[in-house]
Amino acid sequence: GAVVSQHPSWVICKSGTSVKIECRSLDFQATTMFWYRQFPKQSLMLMATSNEGSKATYEQGVEKDKFLINHASLTLSTLTVTSAHPEDSSFYICSARGQGWDPQYFGPGTRLTVL
Amino acid sequence: TQLLEQSPQFLSIQEGENLTVYCNSSSVFSSLQWYRQEPGEGPVLLVTVVTGGEVKKLKRLTFQFGDARKDSSLHITAAQPGDTGLYLCAGARDTGRRALTFGSGTRLQVQP
Repeated sequence: GAVVSQHPSWVICKSGTSVKIECRSLDFQATTMFWYRQFPKQSLMLMATSNEGSKATYEQGVEKDKFLINHASLTLSTLTVTSAHPEDSSFYICSARGQGWDPQYFGPGTRLTVL
Repeated sequence: TQLLEQSPQFLSIQEGENLTVYCNSSSVFSSLQWYRQEPGEGPVLLVTVVTGGEVKKLKRLTFQFGDARKDSSLHITAAQPGDTGLYLCAGARDTGRRALTFGSGTRLQVQP
């Protein structure tokens, strides 16, 4: 089956620092990758959609300068949380989709804690 | 505003009982997916339904897509402790990005 990995699985950082999270599709080429965040006991909220080689499309209310997304290849997308603050602490999950109406396959998530 | 409402939000039942989770929306979706998520992990795809009125079975799980493609249900027969988890429905619209809109989630706990 389709496998999506994320790295790191968890990270703790100090307020004001930047954190990069990687999302990789291991056995398929991902035309599109999606980034979500999930707060405790809540559902997933879409942050942005990225297509390989083009700028990401951000959802309303998501600051593109704070959450930098790069989709450099068909198997890798990165999310950088810049100048992180405690309120950015959350579970960040990526998903990847192949072509057409292929379903989205999700990564295992990255738990970010900002002190 | 949550476009997809799931009910119930939380369900605690005994092993062997049956249950149904509902996913409702006022919007039409071109496809709808059901996921199960364990704590600290990403969602795992259970099924995708595409056609209005479609019914899919996955062992003890039965999924149905409403005729108007606005709602869906997940029925579990003879629930087992291993079914415990967060169940999420997610709808895809017929747009270029085909991003998923997730439901509010149903947290299921099956007691042995």
